[in-house]
Amino acid sequence: EPEVTQTPSHQVTQMGQEVILRCVPISNHLYFYWYRQILGQKVEFLVSFYNNEISEKSEIFDDQFSVERPDGSNFTLKIRSTKLEDSAMYFCASSSPQETQYFGPGTRLLVL
Amino acid sequence: GEDVEQSLFLSVREGDSSVINCTYTDSSSTYLYWYKQEPGAGLQLLTYIFSNMDMKQDQRLTVLLNKKDKHLSLRIADTQTGDSAIYFCAEGIMNRDDKIIFGKGTRLHILP
Repeated sequence: EPEVTQTPSHQVTQMGQEVILRCVPISNHLYFYWYRQILGQKVEFLVSFYNNEISEKSEIFDDQFSVERPDGSNFTLKIRSTKLEDSAMYFCASSSPQETQYFGPGTRLLVL
Repeated sequence: GEDVEQSLFLSVREGDSSVINCTYTDSSSTYLYWYKQEPGAGLQLLTYIFSNMDMKQDQRLTVLLNKKDKHLSLRIADTQTGDSAIYFCAEGIMNRDDKIIFGKGTRLHILP
């Protein structure tokens, strides 16, 4: 069964450093998403992406964040200058039109 | 605005039925979801229900939807130790690239 994959599974970084989280969505999906889950809290929507542009973004998704689909298979989330409060589990998801979103296993980011 | 509420904890004896309840606010939601998250793991889609349905059954899982009261429940029959996890209620429209709104999750604890 096709699945969404994410790399790395864990990332530790120093405050102020840039990180790039990578996702490979399911191959025939057209819509891509990033969510995050701070430890012990709910899963929060960050951004959706379709046709090579952002469709919707939340208040969390400020200028420090950016997304990109650099090639036909990868979907990345970049945090330009990480803060302590960016520590969270980041989930990528993808979907086809009128179908549910499939989530990846997540990347646990720890900012020190 | 959009919001999903659910109780934070539930303890159930092994072999009994577990019922996890959820309320949501967005009447335009067309899909209601239940996700399972085991410790340190990603989000597993358990089941979802269209908003024009009252009930959906899938093996040990029964989802009941009261659209008038915006109340959703998940019943797990014959609860097993492997059911111990956090269960997230979520709502979405599944229209193009619409985001999914999650509740805070209910931690299900199984008593021997």
